[in-house]
Amino acid sequence: DAGVIQSPRHEVTEMGQEVTLRCKPISGHNSLFWYRQTMMRGLELLIYFNNNVPIDDSGMPEDRFSAKMPNASFSTLKIQPSEPRDSAVYFCASSFQFGAYEQYFGPGTRLTVT
Amino acid sequence: AQSVTQLDSQVPVFEEAPVELRCNYSSSVSVYLFWYVQYPNQGLQLLLKYLSGSTLVKGINGFEAEFNKSQTSFHLRKPSVHISDTAEYFCAVSGEAAGNKLTFGGGTRVLVKP
Repeated sequence: DAGVIQSPRHEVTEMGQEVTLRCKPISGHNSLFWYRQTMMRGLELLIYFNNNVPIDDSGMPEDRFSAKMPNASFSTLKIQPSEPRDSAVYFCASSFQFGAYEQYFGPGTRLTVT
Repeated sequence: AQSVTQLDSQVPVFEEAPVELRCNYSSSVSVYLFWYVQYPNQGLQLLLKYLSGSTLVKGINGFEAEFNKSQTSFHLRKPSVHISDTAEYFCAVSGEAAGNKLTFGGGTRVLVKP
């Protein structure tokens, strides 16, 4: 399997612009997680889905952030409008839903908002 | 609620020396424990996991960890490190009460010196 795929790998945008990050989970996995990693705050869980349904979005920092999972093989994380403090590495991970299964991480998207 | 504490934020170590990374967790129910490694500019990769059974768990790249329920610890060890072990290491916990959601520690940065 190709593993978790994220695009783009790097994104540089100006403050106020809309940013869309994309994720393709491992085929057969039915849970998907979005994380944000910064030096100051470490690794934070933003939201996760089971069977394409959002289960816990308590980590989403503001209404500017939204996530969707229209089908089992695709998810997006959108920031609109973006701000410099959103600069971070965003990771997507997937796993099986039930049981003590590990999460498999994608390579991340490094977002820079100027 | 679950939490994970990694007691050392940075651990410098000489090549071929042993290393131990400390991890303590808190949880009111049975837990599953994980160690992940993050190499520079990459996503997180599973090193090893404890689900049940033997308290000594062996993982990839010569790492092992010991689950100690009475001390609520899951310390990671390697008897002889290589330069290529320079990375950040994350301890994580999940459990039946949390579904498949992982709670991560703050990470320990290991710098292997020649």
